[in-house]
Amino acid sequence: NAGVTQTPKFQVLKTGQSMTLQCAQDMNHEYMSWYRQDPGMGLRLIHYSVGAGITDQGEVPNGYNVSRSTTEDFPLRLLSAAPSQTSVYFCASTRLASGQSSYEQYFGPGTRLTVT
Amino acid sequence: AQKITQTQPGMFVQEKEAVTLDCTYDTSDQSYGLFWYKQPSSGEMIFLIYQGSYDEQNATEGRYSLNFQKARKSANLVISASQLGDSAMYFCAMREGYSSNTGKLIFGQGTTLQVKP
Repeated sequence: NAGVTQTPKFQVLKTGQSMTLQCAQDMNHEYMSWYRQDPGMGLRLIHYSVGAGITDQGEVPNGYNVSRSTTEDFPLRLLSAAPSQTSVYFCASTRLASGQSSYEQYFGPGTRLTVT
Repeated sequence: AQKITQTQPGMFVQEKEAVTLDCTYDTSDQSYGLFWYKQPSSGEMIFLIYQGSYDEQNATEGRYSLNFQKARKSANLVISASQLGDSAMYFCAMREGYSSNTGKLIFGQGTTLQVKP
């Protein structure tokens, strides 16, 4: 199992450029999500998906789009990059669960994005 | 609204001593789970320990234990016999819900732990 993979590891964009962060998992997890991590703010949920064809917004969705055409892949698109989107982005996956389920989230290695 | 609060931005501990990292949460659900993750300087997120709201005993995993006080809505992480490799950022997180249709985690701001030799 490769677990959760993310590409690229590092990216520098200019303001206004667009790009797609790739995320894939090989554990057949229904749930996938994207977080951004900024200093002093922990991880904040951008978008998530509970299965192919189903996506929803998290806490900080503005400026990002997602789609889920397969169970394995969950790309994150930045439509017009802004300096405020400079951050570390994590993709994660897990089995669907209730509050009592101990299923952990598996995280990718992260993408460090800088927007100038 | 659900919320996780970690009030200690940074902590120091002497090697081989125990340390407690604080976490308080706010939820109106009766069914929820609490997680702790470790993030070393290399950046990956490592799952440490889980506690369900209906679990009567505190969770333990090796040197990690979770001091769960439901009435106070706290879920503090205790690391016993600290090692230099424990130096990292630690995140508390919560998942809510009765039905099996979620995976959402809400994270706290994190606590940076430094272990001194």
